[in-house]
Amino acid sequence: KNEVEQSPQNLTAQEGEFITINCSYSVGISALHWLQQHPGGGIVSLFMLSSGKKKHGRLIATINIQEKHSSLHITASHPRDSAVYICAVKHFGNEKLTFGTGTRLTIIP
Amino acid sequence: DTAVSQTPKYLVTQMGNDKSIKCEQNLGHDTMYWYKQDSKKFLKIMFSYNNKELIINETVPNRFSPKSPDKAHLNLHINSLELGDSAVYFCASSQGSVTSLAKNIQYFGAGTRLSVL
Repeated sequence: KNEVEQSPQNLTAQEGEFITINCSYSVGISALHWLQQHPGGGIVSLFMLSSGKKKHGRLIATINIQEKHSSLHITASHPRDSAVYICAVKHFGNEKLTFGTGTRLTIIP
Repeated sequence: DTAVSQTPKYLVTQMGNDKSIKCEQNLGHDTMYWYKQDSKKFLKIMFSYNNKELIINETVPNRFSPKSPDKAHLNLHINSLELGDSAVYFCASSQGSVTSLAKNIQYFGAGTRLSVL
């Protein structure tokens, strides 16, 4: 079993829908990253969280350290949000990052 | 200016060859990483260097050897390439201090798609 699990693996939604992607992990972490990988392959770091909630534009990321769970929300989704979203956890005490398998999001116009 | 740049972007080569992928960052970061993304899009860390010193070395074949001539560069050399080495390789960097979470965001290069024939 992966130390980092994401759900769903694939998600298709209509433009304008509210999107939620979940990430659960089983190790002690110092931080959690949400990354976006575009269809062309480039990776962009969206958020780095250690507690609570962060918001950037239409993207919101939350983390619950006790429950070892994080969610990425997208409000008013748009076709340009179509990408693979990857959760990664930074292990406590070192530089190691463990990645989830990603969630492929497709937003239909 | 590109923050983390990798070259080449595409690399097609025959089995058994030796090849290198270069990575440079102009962010002044202390830590650099190499990741391998397989055909199922799963990202896995291979190496991490902090100030030119190896700090993470995951279980990768000895044919893979990272070289860090200075803290702005981390090159990946691969000997005796095999079919299973075909993947996209990503370089990344971060400020890297475990005592300062604000410095731990990683910045990725655009990736190098390696195809071994």
